[in-house]
Amino acid sequence: GAVVSQHPSWVICKSGTSVKIECRSLDFQATTMFWYRQFPKQSLMLMATSNEGSKATYEQGVEKDKFLINHASLTLSTLTVTSAHPEDSSFYICSASEAGKGAIGNQPQHFGDGTRLSIL
Amino acid sequence: DAKTTQPTSMDCAEGRAANLPCNHSTISGNEYVYWYRQIHSQGPQYIIHGLKNNETNEMASLIITEDRKSSTLILPHATLRDTAVYYCIVRGYSGGYQKVTFGTGTKLQVIP
Repeated sequence: GAVVSQHPSWVICKSGTSVKIECRSLDFQATTMFWYRQFPKQSLMLMATSNEGSKATYEQGVEKDKFLINHASLTLSTLTVTSAHPEDSSFYICSASEAGKGAIGNQPQHFGDGTRLSIL
Repeated sequence: DAKTTQPTSMDCAEGRAANLPCNHSTISGNEYVYWYRQIHSQGPQYIIHGLKNNETNEMASLIITEDRKSSTLILPHATLRDTAVYYCIVRGYSGGYQKVTFGTGTKLQVIP
């Protein structure tokens, strides 16, 4: 149980295009989803916290107009990298916490397998 | 946010116990300690979490000090498949939003 699916797993596109990444919780409802970015040989850096039905909370230094997050249902969150440039190339990972499982801090995050984005 | 500190790398002989430490000296009362591991080019895998009591599951044991300022993840019988980067994170809920802080990660190499 508690599977998070991320799509696509790999995408290559030209500079200036927009790329949408989907994150789905397959067998549970997720009130909260998280989006991370990971550069080679570095740890995961939280980009934003996405709450179903409300605006995402972005971490300092993350441009909300650049990285659009939509969490319209309890099983789907999307991250759109707008007007992508080579410096946006990275490994993007989402995670989700299951709703209604006790104290919020006591809910494990379940991670997708990530999306490798390469901008040419 | 509470920060965590981990050794950069560790080696462990196959079949032996792997003990991975994590320092989280600024942890607050409502924050949980979580451990995840990441194999190259995959998403992190949940291992275990705890608040103040020691925890054990089929994968590992988590020992949290009484003052909660540090913890140790124990893999009782390490196998080659346990080679990965292990992340210690502190997670709680404060001021209307969730806090998620990843540690530096420990690269565990299990040696045959």
